[in-house]
Amino acid sequence: ETGVTQTPRHLVMGMTNKKSLKCEQHLGHNAMYWYKQSAKKPLELMFVYNFKEQTENNSVPSRFSPECPNSSHLFLHLHTLQPEDSALYLCASSRGQGSGTEAFFGQGTRLTVV
Amino acid sequence: QKEVEQDPGPLSVPEGAIVSLNCTYSNSAFQYFMWYRQYSRKGPELLMYTYSSGNKEDGRFTAQVDKSSKYISLFIRDSQPSDSATYLCAMSAESGGGADGLTFGKGTHLIIQP
Repeated sequence: ETGVTQTPRHLVMGMTNKKSLKCEQHLGHNAMYWYKQSAKKPLELMFVYNFKEQTENNSVPSRFSPECPNSSHLFLHLHTLQPEDSALYLCASSRGQGSGTEAFFGQGTRLTVV
Repeated sequence: QKEVEQDPGPLSVPEGAIVSLNCTYSNSAFQYFMWYRQYSRKGPELLMYTYSSGNKEDGRFTAQVDKSSKYISLFIRDSQPSDSATYLCAMSAESGGGADGLTFGKGTHLIIQP
């Protein structure tokens, strides 16, 4: 248990569905991240929030919409996804920029788009 | 040229052997270097975290960073079957990833044969 909890662990959705992924961290960290992990590819950074402010949107399609209501919670809203969006979506948190600490990951949500 | 190069393997060694895992990188701004272990269907688990060049030891694990060569290594002594996993190197210019997050290698799939 890393202190970063993601729900659901598995999700199957159709291309016309709308769903949300949830991440919660219990570490008192101020920065939270969404990463995408696809087979045979490195983890790709999607979004960064630092003190609830989005500081990075790594050219992610608008069908992915992040939300960070407070420093402990992070959501990824999904709509009209494509089959190539099927992947493991990982949430991570760290103490924040320039704070000298590492990033901790949740267990991920395995997303399948049909 | 990819930012971080890591041989995906698989790397198969007998139990008790010393394992050497490596990554090379091109961005000279990277100062923070991490190794994560990822078991199948799980999120990445932080193993080692180092800053700048040098060695760091933790139990059976030793991390080495050579910034002049842009080369990092993870050594596992007395390898065990439970060490079988995918090992991801990650690095960043800011601690915890900062605004740019972490840059990952593809991961090396390690198999320890009993």
